[in-house]
Amino acid sequence: AQKVTQAQTEISVVEKEDVTLDCVYETRDTTYYLFWYKQPPSGELVFLIRRNSFDEQNEISGRYSWNFQKSTSSFNFTITASQVVDSAVYFCALSGGTSYGKLTFGQGTILTVHP
Amino acid sequence: EPEVTQTPSHQVTQMGQEVILRCVPISNHLYFYWYRQILGQKVEFLVSFYNNEISEKSEIFDDQFSVERPDGSNFTLKIRSTKLEDSAMYFCASSLGLNTGELFFGEGSRLTVL
Repeated sequence: AQKVTQAQTEISVVEKEDVTLDCVYETRDTTYYLFWYKQPPSGELVFLIRRNSFDEQNEISGRYSWNFQKSTSSFNFTITASQVVDSAVYFCALSGGTSYGKLTFGQGTILTVHP
Repeated sequence: EPEVTQTPSHQVTQMGQEVILRCVPISNHLYFYWYRQILGQKVEFLVSFYNNEISEKSEIFDDQFSVERPDGSNFTLKIRSTKLEDSAMYFCASSLGLNTGELFFGEGSRLTVL
């Protein structure tokens, strides 16, 4: 069975602070995919990143960066110099190699960025 | 940018009524999905659909639920006899392939069962 744990239920920061959202996963699949989605107050799910299990290279996209560590089964997400518009619920998700579209989501982390 | 569209954005219904939620996936995508999110909870997989049949479904997707692709563009989720606990946001998603491309989600349809 697959499991995604986002231990941080809520995080509150002040604008311009850096913030890291933690994600730990469990899977028996040797090939799998990891995702991060953002859910702003309007409710839609916005895709941020997809990583496959063979690609442990960290990725940076503007103020966003992701740290994938297979050894600790973690896929953490860092926002640098946070902004009020980053306020949202962030979900980490996992899918197995043969069920790409069947995502197992974590509980989500509510991020609030104060001005 | 192509997008997945869902209608209605919000539907209120009485318990026991049938509800159909509609989705138009991205036109060249081949795999379609429904997920749901009960208020304040995590997003949960319901069903995946490919080549006009269900390819996988969760334990949530019981006999009250059905999916259909009635024409070349729409993908529908039907709840036959709604229960209070069906109140949730329902997300449609599509992907180009099984292991390629990202999963694109629609903006969701909020279902409220009274």
